[in-house]
Amino acid sequence: AQKITQTQPGMFVQEKEAVTLDCTYDTSDQSYGLFWYKQPSSGEMIFLIYQGSYDEQNATEGRYSLNFQKARKSANLVISASQLGDSAMYFCAMRSPWSGSEKLVFGKGTKLTVNP
Amino acid sequence: DGGITQSPKYLFRKEGQNVTLSCEQNLNHDAMYWYRQDPGQGLRLIYYSQIVNDFQKGDIAEGYSVSREKKESFPLTVTSAQKNPTAFYLCASSVTGLDNSPLHFGNGTRLTVT
Repeated sequence: AQKITQTQPGMFVQEKEAVTLDCTYDTSDQSYGLFWYKQPSSGEMIFLIYQGSYDEQNATEGRYSLNFQKARKSANLVISASQLGDSAMYFCAMRSPWSGSEKLVFGKGTKLTVNP
Repeated sequence: DGGITQSPKYLFRKEGQNVTLSCEQNLNHDAMYWYRQDPGQGLRLIYYSQIVNDFQKGDIAEGYSVSREKKESFPLTVTSAQKNPTAFYLCASSVTGLDNSPLHFGNGTRLTVT
C-alpha cells in the first residue's frame, strides 16, 4: 500500500527566507508521481509542483523546488524567498496509475506560517 | 474557463437526513474523485471513478454513495448511515493513465450536520 508521511505538523519561517517542508513516501511501485499542493485558509487546493520517479533532475516551478532523493524515498518541497501569501497548509501526495489505480494518496499536511 | 464546480459552498442538515453534494467538471477528464477533509487528518478518499458508469470505493466509503451517469458529473450522497458526516468535502478530476497528471480540485463543500 502507498503511504505518505509529513512529519512536521507546523512550520514557521521569516519573510524572504527559504523553508523546507518534509515528505517521505512508501511504495513498491517502480513508476509513480509525486505532487505538492497548497491549501490556503479559503480551502481550495492549488497544485504546485510534480516530480516523476524516473526524472533525473529535481523539479522546479518558480520559487518552488522539489528535493527528490529516490533512494531515501523523500520528496521535500523547498520554498525560496517566502512571502506572507505562502502561509497555508501544504500537502504531499503520490499516485501510481500503472499499478491500476488513478487515486492520489495524501499526507496529513504541514501548516506553514510566514512571519513578517 | 474550464474547471470544477462544487455546490453549495456551505450545507446544513439535520441528523438522519440524506444529502447530496454536487460536482460538475468541464475539463473533459475521465477520472473524478471525492475526498473528505477533517482537521489534522489530511485528505481521505471516499470514492473515485475512472470512467462513466463505473466507480470504486476509496478508504472511507462507508455511509456514502455515488453515481457516474455522465462524464461531467459525479454527485456524492452522504447517507444517514455516515456516523460523522460533518466535514469539508472536495471533488477533483484528472486525466487517466498518466502519473504526471495532477488532480484539479473544486472549491469544496462544507457540510454541517446537527
